[in-house]
Amino acid sequence: IAGITQAPTSQILAAGRRMTLRCTQDMRHNAMYWYRQDLGLGLRLIHYSNTAGTTGKGEVPDGYSVSRANTDDFPLTLASAVPSQTSVYFCASSDSYGVTDTQYFGPGTRLTVL
Amino acid sequence: GQNIDQPTEMTATEGAIVQINCTYQTSGFNGLFWYQQHAGEAPTFLSYNVLDGLEEKGRFSSFLSRSKGYSYLLLKELQMKDSASYLCAPMDSNYQLIWGAGTKLIIKP
Repeated sequence: IAGITQAPTSQILAAGRRMTLRCTQDMRHNAMYWYRQDLGLGLRLIHYSNTAGTTGKGEVPDGYSVSRANTDDFPLTLASAVPSQTSVYFCASSDSYGVTDTQYFGPGTRLTVL
Repeated sequence: GQNIDQPTEMTATEGAIVQINCTYQTSGFNGLFWYQQHAGEAPTFLSYNVLDGLEEKGRFSSFLSRSKGYSYLLLKELQMKDSASYLCAPMDSNYQLIWGAGTKLIIKP
């Protein structure tokens, strides 16, 4: 593979269920990000990680958690999904955090919470 | 607060030139990115400006005026494949991208 992969591509989920969105990159980038994209709004940062073992909160972190056990993987977990978490979720990575490096995006996961 | 303003939608003709404007207010500034996003796909990087002036890259150019909080993306010789949304994203003092809602560009034959 080359770049960033995300799984699943799409998912319909019942409210209250737990869900983990997967993200894997093979570019050996240090920084990774999770965004959500809603119609009429810009991308909003949920969580980020500037290197393996560390994570930080973005603009809209409530209801989401992340972990960064290694360089390649950055899963996003919804502990108890709610309908307002219906969105398209994009994972991204960049060479470093805290500098002006370009962010590269995965193909996205379309999540519907009913 | 932080704010990005760009037109919601624009229409242009194949072969023509179009300019997509973006005005921004951010807490600090570390450059401005433009991304292209086709419907149902991921954003892809187009350009980055950190100094005032015009950066040209093939059919696409991007301009920045830091004093005015203003940038534009210029697309020349429009092709049907340029139909997409164009996202303006300045980087704030914490090196986080602040994303506009995007401009949907419709190209007509």
